[in-house]
Amino acid sequence: DIQMTQSPIFLSASVGDRVTITCRASQNIGNYLTWYRQKPGKAPELLIFAASSLQSGVPSRFSGSGSGTEFTLTISSLQPEDFATYYCLKNYGTWTFGQGTKVEI
Amino acid sequence: QVQLVQSGAEMKKPGASVKVSCKASGYSFTSYYIHWVRQAPGQGLEWMGLINPSDGSTYYGQNFQGRVTMTRDTSTSTAYMELSGLRSDDTVVYFCARAGGDYFGMDVWGQGTTVTVSS
Repeated sequence: DIQMTQSPIFLSASVGDRVTITCRASQNIGNYLTWYRQKPGKAPELLIFAASSLQSGVPSRFSGSGSGTEFTLTISSLQPEDFATYYCLKNYGTWTFGQGTKVEI
Repeated sequence: QVQLVQSGAEMKKPGASVKVSCKASGYSFTSYYIHWVRQAPGQGLEWMGLINPSDGSTYYGQNFQGRVTMTRDTSTSTAYMELSGLRSDDTVVYFCARAGGDYFGMDVWGQGTTVTVSS
């Protein structure tokens, strides 16, 4: 099975910071990669699909890049509502989440 | 508006089964896959499997094969996830989510259903 590994697991940041989260696949997954934000006690929200396409309604401070085995999620200017946990997801075959990255103050 | 509404919290004994429902509204139920994802307290997300409401075909994650059954009722636009042989580590929140095929990810999620397994 293809494994998805996120880094870092924890990230300390401040409002206004530029933040980058990395997701690595153990095999080539093309661009079948999505990113989610999950606030405490809530369902996840789709941010990015197809590795780099912004989901409708998602603020433009979020961007995604990469293909194959290495992917990144960038938040250009962290807002208070962005202190949350972020997950990448391989979205084909056996769909597989990364272990999550908690962004905290 | 487009939404998925899940059934309420459940409390079950070890060894029992639980069936969680996910009612879709605001879109064509048969045009989007329904996925099931679960999350243990303070832990990450775990994909369980999917059902194609159009034909009822399913694909289950390896960790759940033999224990999970996903079904749907197109007359009520409702998907179901039944998990059998419950253990204490099945005490988690279960989410349903729709996806418009592999490429697009899960764009609409249910509110989650907490299942507690305790003797």
